[in-house]
Amino acid sequence: DIQMTQSPSSLSASVGDRVTITCRASQGISNNLAWYQQKSGKAPKLLIYAASSLQSGVPSRFSGSGSGTDFTLTISSLQPEDVAIYYCQKYNGAPWTFGQGTKVEIK
Amino acid sequence: QVQLVESGGGVVQPGGSLRLSCAASGFTFSYFAMHWVRQVPGKGLEWLTFIRFDGSDKYYADSVKGRFTISRDNSKNTVYLQMSSLRPEDTAMYYCAKGYCGGDCSFDYWGQGTLVTVSS
Repeated sequence: DIQMTQSPSSLSASVGDRVTITCRASQGISNNLAWYQQKSGKAPKLLIYAASSLQSGVPSRFSGSGSGTDFTLTISSLQPEDVAIYYCQKYNGAPWTFGQGTKVEIK
Repeated sequence: QVQLVESGGGVVQPGGSLRLSCAASGFTFSYFAMHWVRQVPGKGLEWLTFIRFDGSDKYYADSVKGRFTISRDNSKNTVYLQMSSLRPEDTAMYYCAKGYCGGDCSFDYWGQGTLVTVSS
């Protein structure tokens, strides 16, 4: 099975900072990658699909890039409401594996 | 608006069984794949199982294969997760999630989850 590895596992940044989270697949998955945001006590929410397509209603400060094995989620200007855990996920067939998550906090 | 409402969680003894339901509304249920995902409190997301829009394909994570069964009733807009031979390590919040398409896609909507506790 393809493994998904995120880095870092946690980060702390100031409001307005640019934040980057990386996700690496153990094998190529083309652009079949999604990013989710999970706030404390809530269900996950889709942010990005097809590696770089912004889900409807998601603020434009979120962006995704990458293809093959290396992917990035960027928050261009971190806001207090972005405090959450972010997960990547591959979806090129079973299993639909998630990364281990990256916890984003405000410094 | 799209809504997914899980039910059926609770406390069950090891070796017991439980059936979770996920009632869908706000979209044409029969067009879309559905999944179940679980999350141990304080831990990450674990994908469990998939069912294609028409029920023709089902896949399972190794951790639940042979113990859990996914099914759907398109006439009732509901997807089910039948869980048997439950173990303490199955204790988690269980989410249903809607596929972005009828087959292999990301998950565009999630339910609020239902908590399953396996304990004697």
